[in-house]
Amino acid sequence: DAGVIQSPRHEVTEMGQEVTLRCKLISGHNSLFWYRQTMMRGLELLIYFNNNVPIDDSGMPEDRFSAKMPNASFSTLKIQPSEPRDSAVYFCASRETINQPQHFGDGTRLSIL
Amino acid sequence: GENVEQHPSTLSVQEGDSAVIKCTYSDSASNYFPWYKQELGKGPQLIIDIRSNVGEKKDQRIAVTLNKTAKHFSLHITETQPEDSAVYFCAASKGTGGFKTIFGAGTRLFVKA
Repeated sequence: DAGVIQSPRHEVTEMGQEVTLRCKLISGHNSLFWYRQTMMRGLELLIYFNNNVPIDDSGMPEDRFSAKMPNASFSTLKIQPSEPRDSAVYFCASRETINQPQHFGDGTRLSIL
Repeated sequence: GENVEQHPSTLSVQEGDSAVIKCTYSDSASNYFPWYKQELGKGPQLIIDIRSNVGEKKDQRIAVTLNKTAKHFSLHITETQPEDSAVYFCAASKGTGGFKTIFGAGTRLFVKA
């Protein structure tokens, strides 16, 4: 089992640029979660999908953020245009079914200059 | 709304001592309570979980207790070792209402050798 795979592991870019974070779910998992982690705000849920359908995107900070699941095993989180306050570690996690543990990737450390 | 409170935010213990982290949850319908450990540069990883039909669960040096009436659950680590130093998160979820998991704010545990 390869686990949840996130790419890139680190991203440094200038403000105003488009940023795309990628996540590959564990095979057979049907839920996908995107989180943002900062020292000030801790672990924040941005959006989650169940069977490729967005269920709750109330945590998405602004319209600059968008997330997609083009298929059952892959998701992207896009920020356009990026701003310095978007700097954080972004995690995705997948889950096999309800009331099962989430499996986290090792995150993408994003720095917007 | 749904909320999980976690205490303490920081905990420092001597190697060999026990560590206890406590959480309370607001939604009485919650029925699944996982605990995660996050090491530096990694995503949170599940260490133990408990379901609402069980009052206590133990796995070697780690145990979790659940008091449904009081809506409290706790993590107990005995014979702590330096490698237990990490950030620990409690969480609560339920099988309805969108299948979302609510995380506590985290406890940073330091085990001094």
